[in-house]
Amino acid sequence: DAKTTQPPSMDCAEGRAANLPCNHSTISGNEYVYWYRQIHSQGPQYIIHGLKNNETNEMASLIITEDRKSSTLILPHATLRDTAVYYCIVRGNDYKLSFGAGTTVTVRA
Amino acid sequence: EAQVTQNPRYLITVTGKKLTVTCSQNMNHEYMSWYRQDPGLGLRQIYYSMNVEVTDKGDVPEGYKVSRKEKRNFPLILESPSPNQTSLYFCASSLPPGPDRAKNIQYFGAGTRLSVL
Repeated sequence: DAKTTQPPSMDCAEGRAANLPCNHSTISGNEYVYWYRQIHSQGPQYIIHGLKNNETNEMASLIITEDRKSSTLILPHATLRDTAVYYCIVRGNDYKLSFGAGTTVTVRA
Repeated sequence: EAQVTQNPRYLITVTGKKLTVTCSQNMNHEYMSWYRQDPGLGLRQIYYSMNVEVTDKGDVPEGYKVSRKEKRNFPLILESPSPNQTSLYFCASSLPPGPDRAKNIQYFGAGTRLSVL
């Protein structure tokens, strides 16, 4: 699976959009980009995934660049409950999820 | 409600005393997996199971055993726990792979915090 690079931390003001970048320059054509988050030692929670098109669901939006070497997770209106560690994962044909260090997002009132 | 249930949530034990952490899912998922999470090391896979009676080692299997006699249950067994197995453990499950890998969303339990003294 391709390796991902994320900033270690970022702050966001409550009510504002949070834009979380992820680099995955070695991604191959059949690998998906997944985002999970973990709120304070709870079990990781699936957020969204995509292959090459932008995706949106009730939690977030995922923007994938045309060359697929990077992506951005957007939390449109961050709340205090969105404070968590966010993991960007590139996944191939197997089940395995390789969690890196992620980005610690702190939403401030 | 679709969920992965782990028990116990917290456990304190002593070195060498066998223990089992249970994991059960109600989504009829074929795939199940155990992870441990340690500060600075992230989540690491211990064992996984592709289906009933099919299990395989993950990245850190030493000191652990698993079994998969039923589809819904995937217990993690520590035959002789040691202090270096003090950790936060997560069980996860998902559907099997298919033409649409987008279905391979893993659902995680709430975690079991284990302390081995």
